[in-house]
Amino acid sequence: DAMVIQNPRYQVTQFGKPVTLSCSQTLNHNVMYWYQQKSSQAPKLLFHYYDKDFNNEADTPDNFQSRRPNTSFCLLDIRSPGLGDAAMYLCATSRDLWDTQYFGPGTRLTVL
Amino acid sequence: TQLLEQSPQFLSIQEGENLTVYCNSSSVFSSLQWYRQEPGEGPVLLVTVVTGGEVKKLKRLTFQFGDARKDSSLHITAAQPGDTGLYLCAGGSGGSNYKLTFGKGTLLTVNP
Repeated sequence: DAMVIQNPRYQVTQFGKPVTLSCSQTLNHNVMYWYQQKSSQAPKLLFHYYDKDFNNEADTPDNFQSRRPNTSFCLLDIRSPGLGDAAMYLCATSRDLWDTQYFGPGTRLTVL
Repeated sequence: TQLLEQSPQFLSIQEGENLTVYCNSSSVFSSLQWYRQEPGEGPVLLVTVVTGGEVKKLKRLTFQFGDARKDSSLHITAAQPGDTGLYLCAGGSGGSNYKLTFGKGTLLTVNP
């Protein structure tokens, strides 16, 4: 089945220790998104890639970066995680910018 | 700034009862998605509605998009414990405004 896959599902890191989360998709979609979701809140968009074009949201901290080495794969780098960065990180894809978004299962990040 | 007001925020009912969740906005959306999210998982797409007045049915779930495309509702008939989860509505505006506008979610608990 075509799907969005996120690894790992659970990640524990230490305060200030860089961490990378990954997302892959078999949907052949052009757009890949990264969202941050905190408990009982709606997902908050961090940035997206349209093909190779990176688009950062204005309020996304510099601590968050992303890479898209190929069309099927996207990475989220958190350079110096703080306690406030503990959250569920969701990857989503869509065929085009205005199309329905499909979410992966998420990575739960814990910062000690 | 587009807003989607989702209500109720919390809903606890007994198995077999019916319920309706609402999403309302003063803005027009080109499409509206409903997602269900279980604890520790990513949002799973239930339906996309795009036409004003559209009604879609998915087993015991009925989704309606308002005639003016500013509001939507989700009605569940004879709720079951398996329906428990966070229900999110998300509106898309299309064109250059690619961002999904999320409602704050409705946390549904169906008690056996």
